[in-house]
Amino acid sequence: SQTIHQWPATLVQPVGSPLSLECTVEGTSNPNLYWYRQAAGRGLQLLFYSVGIGQISSEVPQNLSASRPQDRQFILSSKKLLLSDSGFYLCAWGRQGGNQPQHFGDGTRLSIL
Amino acid sequence: AQTVTQSQPEMSVQEAETVTLSCTYDTSENNYYLFWYKQPPSRQMILVIRQEAYKQQNATENRFSVNFQKAAKSFSLKISDSQLGDTAMYFCAFMKRNAGNMLTFGGGTRLMVKP
Repeated sequence: SQTIHQWPATLVQPVGSPLSLECTVEGTSNPNLYWYRQAAGRGLQLLFYSVGIGQISSEVPQNLSASRPQDRQFILSSKKLLLSDSGFYLCAWGRQGGNQPQHFGDGTRLSIL
Repeated sequence: AQTVTQSQPEMSVQEAETVTLSCTYDTSENNYYLFWYKQPPSRQMILVIRQEAYKQQNATENRFSVNFQKAAKSFSLKISDSQLGDTAMYFCAFMKRNAGNMLTFGGGTRLMVKP
């Protein structure tokens, strides 16, 4: 069976510090991968998606970047965090070509001080 | 482009009663999928139920069922015999057929089940 791991679960960072959130998927190959941000009590905003190694599409201009160095690894990064980067970050995967829904990780709660 | 609208930001229901959450969508596509996701206070997103647009029969998963009205572009979720563990945010989502698994989400409905 497939599983998705996301870490850390919570993170407190000062303004201006760098960020690296990691997401890995097990039990499948060549998945589509997604990063979302969710503000408190709000819906999901798609940040990045990837259909393959090194292929990243950005949905909104922002202070964040994403990378996919390996087939089942998706990393969300920032060089300098802003207060507005606070939120709940969710990683998701979906099987390519199968009309299958996305499956989500447990999320990372990021607080910027 | 698709849009998904959940017109009820918050709802409440008494334990053991039935509640219906509304979702409407706008698309020019004829083949697509619709989903309901649940996000409990733990924040994990859990797939509750899915519906293929080409199927007329409404999907059912235990206490969860949908009322899919394709012509009206409506996709409501009915929760029967509500339980305290059903307290969560519920998101309706749209996915085009054969276009990867890119989802368009509604804004969510916060459901509170009261004892």
